[in-house]
Amino acid sequence: DAGVIQSPRHEVTEMGQEVTLRCKPISGHDYLFWYRQTMMRGLELLIYFNNNVPIDDSGMPEDRFSAKMPNASFSTLKIQPSEPRDSAVYFCASSFLPVTEAFFGQGTRLTVV
Amino acid sequence: TQLLEQSPQFLSIQEGENLTVYCNSSSVFSSLQWYRQEPGEGPVLLVTVVTGGEVKKLKRLTFQFGDARKDSSLHITAAQPGDTGLYLCAGDPNAGNNRKLIWGLGTSLAVNP
Repeated sequence: DAGVIQSPRHEVTEMGQEVTLRCKPISGHDYLFWYRQTMMRGLELLIYFNNNVPIDDSGMPEDRFSAKMPNASFSTLKIQPSEPRDSAVYFCASSFLPVTEAFFGQGTRLTVV
Repeated sequence: TQLLEQSPQFLSIQEGENLTVYCNSSSVFSSLQWYRQEPGEGPVLLVTVVTGGEVKKLKRLTFQFGDARKDSSLHITAAQPGDTGLYLCAGDPNAGNNRKLIWGLGTSLAVNP
């Protein structure tokens, strides 16, 4: 297995534009997580799914953020409209259980100017 | 709210030195994971400790879980430049139906040749 695959690796966009981040989890993992990492706040859990169903979205900053998981092999995190304060590295991770080893993708570095 | 506090926040040492980093909480965790994150990559699991007082060794890295399962330490012997990275601890609070890992902010380690 190639591991968790995220795209794009880097994204630079203008304030107000829509941004879509993509993730392919490891096959067989029932849990998928979206994290945001910044120097000030560290690694923050935004939302996680179990068997494609959102379980906890309490970490989603506001209504501008939305996440979907239409099937077991694909998830998206969308920001619309984007703002400069959304600039961060966004990670997708997957695991067998919610608290067992999390396998992370390489992340998407988002810059909103 | 359960928190994991990591110290020190930053550490810069010379190759060959020993070091210890800490992960502390006032709450009990049923298990605790240590991850290392290299620049431009996602975190990768190093070890999971489960039993109070447990000690695990991974080559030059020694991990210890406190007797009360509220704290953990990572000791590196004869540090090498390849040990450079962000060390994150993550705990399983084993509380409620919505189980998820609690993450520390990390210790950023730089080992200079």
